[in-house]
Amino acid sequence: AQSVTQLGSHVSVSEGALVLLRCNYSSSVPPYLFWYVQYPNQGLQLLLKYTTGATLVKGINGFEAEFKKSETSFHLTKPSAHMSDAAEYFCAVSGYSTLTFGKGTMLLVSP
Amino acid sequence: DAGVTQSPTHLIKTRGQHVTLRCSPISGHKSVSWYQQVLGQGPQFIFQYYEKEERGRGNFPDRFSARQFPNYSSELNVNALLLGDSALYLCASSFSSQELAKNIQYFGAGTRLSVL
Repeated sequence: AQSVTQLGSHVSVSEGALVLLRCNYSSSVPPYLFWYVQYPNQGLQLLLKYTTGATLVKGINGFEAEFKKSETSFHLTKPSAHMSDAAEYFCAVSGYSTLTFGKGTMLLVSP
Repeated sequence: DAGVTQSPTHLIKTRGQHVTLRCSPISGHKSVSWYQQVLGQGPQFIFQYYEKEERGRGNFPDRFSARQFPNYSSELNVNALLLGDSALYLCASSFSSQELAKNIQYFGAGTRLSVL
């Protein structure tokens, strides 16, 4: 069985500030981990993924995430927020079955 | 190259009706998965097909069914619609069994279904 917990349904930052979106997972097998972004009225866009190898994963639009097995975490970060980053972000985990998503975190960016 | 395409984009139905949603995967992709995203929630897995065979099924009632065609496109059918079926239905495709095993999937923009 697998599950994802995203801490905070809404996160607000100022433009230029650090973005940190938290994701903790549970999986009975070595996990594959994903972050997706969803803009209003659109589908999901893959930001980055961890399958094997390096635990620090770089994605598109300046985002990165670090897989920490001991903490069962896969937090998403970006050094400097842009207005265009405002969207909903979903963390997902996959083991031997299909993707299980968290409930999402809405990122709000103020000027 | 075109991404995953879904049709229609929006749909309004009444309770008890039937609906068919369509999905065309990225060219060359052999797997299609369907997800339901209720407002305020993350997507929930409904079905997965690879090479026209069902590879997985989520916890949804038998009113939900799907199939994949020889050209790898797919249909999701929902019978006897309920108000609770109102949601965004997302289709995702994967290129190979290796990608599918890692669940590297590419999503379409979805079909928004409203049941009145």
